[in-house]
Amino acid sequence: GAVVSQHPSWVICKSGTSVKIECRSLDFQATTMFWYRQFPKQSLMLMATSNEGSKATYEQGVEKDKFLINHASLTLSTLTVTSAHPEDSSFYICSATINQETQYFGPGTRLLVL
Amino acid sequence: AQKITQTQPGMFVQEKEAVTLDCTYDTSDPSYGLFWYKQPSSGEMIFLIYQGSYDQQNATEGRYSLNFQKARKSANLVISASQLGDSAMYFCAMREGKGYSTLTFGKGTMLLVSP
Repeated sequence: GAVVSQHPSWVICKSGTSVKIECRSLDFQATTMFWYRQFPKQSLMLMATSNEGSKATYEQGVEKDKFLINHASLTLSTLTVTSAHPEDSSFYICSATINQETQYFGPGTRLLVL
Repeated sequence: AQKITQTQPGMFVQEKEAVTLDCTYDTSDPSYGLFWYKQPSSGEMIFLIYQGSYDQQNATEGRYSLNFQKARKSANLVISASQLGDSAMYFCAMREGKGYSTLTFGKGTMLLVSP
């Protein structure tokens, strides 16, 4: 099946620092990748849709200057949380799609901002 | 109105029994897809099963089957012969339209399988 990896799986950082999370499709080329955020005991909320070689499309209420997304190749998308604050602490999970139908998810990244 | 509704916050089932997790959806688009994902405590989202709006038959994948009732706008997940490893959160999700794969998720149902 399609495999998506994320790195790192865990990150703890100080308030004000920036954190980069990588999402890779390991055995397929993904024209579209998605970034979600999930708070404890809640569902996944889509943050942005990322297409290779173009600017990401952000969902309403998501600050594009705070959550920088780069989709440099068909197998890699990165999410950078700039000037992270404690309220940014969450579970960030990416997904990638092969055929515009099924999304395959990465294992997620738990971010804790102190 | 919520696009995906999962009314069961939690479900209990005994090992080896079948369980049905409910999901209703709301869309005016004639072309859509319905998905079920499993999220164990580790956090990863595991794709289980997919049903397209134009599919004539209910989807099945091993012990998972989708009871698709289009007129009622429901897409319940049936897990047969439950196993302890099935204990997890289960999310129903919908994609609307063709070739546009943004998913909308329900709030999820926590399934606990007891020995």
